[in-house]
Amino acid sequence: DAGVIQSPRHEVTEMGQEVTLRCKPISGHDYLFWYRQTMMRGLELLIYFNNNVPIDDSGMPEDRFSAKMPNASFSTLKIQPSEPRDSAVYFCASSGQGGSYEQYFGPGTRLTVT
Amino acid sequence: AQSVSQHNHHVILSEAASLELGCNYSYGGTVNLFWYVQYPGQHLQLLLKYFSGDPLVKGIKGFEAEFIKSKFSFNLRKPSVQWSDTAEYFCAVKSDDYKLSFGAGTTVTVRA
Repeated sequence: DAGVIQSPRHEVTEMGQEVTLRCKPISGHDYLFWYRQTMMRGLELLIYFNNNVPIDDSGMPEDRFSAKMPNASFSTLKIQPSEPRDSAVYFCASSGQGGSYEQYFGPGTRLTVT
Repeated sequence: AQSVSQHNHHVILSEAASLELGCNYSYGGTVNLFWYVQYPGQHLQLLLKYFSGDPLVKGIKGFEAEFIKSKFSFNLRKPSVQWSDTAEYFCAVKSDDYKLSFGAGTTVTVRA
């Protein structure tokens, strides 16, 4: 299994630009999670999906952030417009429902907004 | 809502020393507990997990953790660390929903 795949691995953009981060979960997993990691705030859960449906988006910082999961094998996290304070590493993770709740993390996308 | 507290922000020790990282959680119901490790520049990887049964759980790379229900604790241990154990360690707890609540993390630096 290739594990959770994220792209791009690094993104540098200017303030005000739209940023789209992508994630492919492990095949067969029906939960998908988006996290943000910064030195100041640590690891924060932004949103999670079950069977492609958003379950809890209470961690999404503001309306500039949106996430979609159009099918079981793909999810996006979009920031529009981006701001320097959005600079962070964004992780996607997936887990299965078979009683084993551990989450498998992708390699992350390091976002820098200048 | 549950919360996870990791006692140490940064631990520095020498190779072959023993390591113990504290983790306490606040939740009175049934919990599933995890320790993750994040090596420099990498993603989080699962070290070990506790669901039920033997409260002493053995994980990868010689790590183990003990669940003490009465103390709401799930401390991580390793008898003899190596330089390659330098990483950040996160304790996490899952309660009734499918979310994991992570602690703030403990940075471990092992000096050769």
